[in-house]
Amino acid sequence: EVQLVESGGDLVQPGGSLRLSCAASGFTFSSYTMSWVRQAPGKGLECVASMKEDGSEEKYVDSVKGRFTISRDNAKKSLYLQMNSLRAEDTAVYYCARGGAIGGFFKHWGQGTVVSVSS
Amino acid sequence: DIQMTQSPSSLSASIGDRVTITCRASQSISSYLNWYQQKPGKAPKLLISAASSLQSGVPSGFSGSGSGTDFTLTISSLQPEDFATYYCQQTYSTPPTFGQGTKVEIK
Repeated sequence: EVQLVESGGDLVQPGGSLRLSCAASGFTFSSYTMSWVRQAPGKGLECVASMKEDGSEEKYVDSVKGRFTISRDNAKKSLYLQMNSLRAEDTAVYYCARGGAIGGFFKHWGQGTVVSVSS
Repeated sequence: DIQMTQSPSSLSASIGDRVTITCRASQSISSYLNWYQQKPGKAPKLLISAASSLQSGVPSGFSGSGSGTDFTLTISSLQPEDFATYYCQQTYSTPPTFGQGTKVEIK
């Protein structure tokens, strides 16, 4: 069974940093593009970052470029999102999702971790 | 980035109604279009991939069609468990982008 378990969400002040983690199991992690998708309170879905299976390519939505960094450790079957210079508008549930490649889809999602940016 | 626009943003319907949701891409995306269902407090669930391919376990009352820039999700006969928010998503370019969502409510 595919499982994705996020952790690291917290309340942080504007300008602060946070690192999210996603532990994967039940599939060959190193064979899949992985992504972070967020959902602000009462809002829609936004894919903020994706990374190819071998870490050779990463993509970001414009609103987080230069502030967020996606990374992965295939040996540990883990995905990460380093978030710096956090803003109030980054407040959201952050989901780890398997997929994000061209022509692909997000079949498997984690349960989400909450990031709240507030003073 | 490719913009995805859904219509309507919300709708009210009754059990048994036929419901159609439209998704338009800002440029051609071939058939790289997926549909998701999300219920409150839950992660989204993939319903349809590649515009019209129904995922295993998804009721046959759901169907998708379209290619290029215009796509539709149809629920042939609305059931109580279908009240949710629906999102389209393009994967023609990365990172993937979603429509703003269509909330299906009980009339």
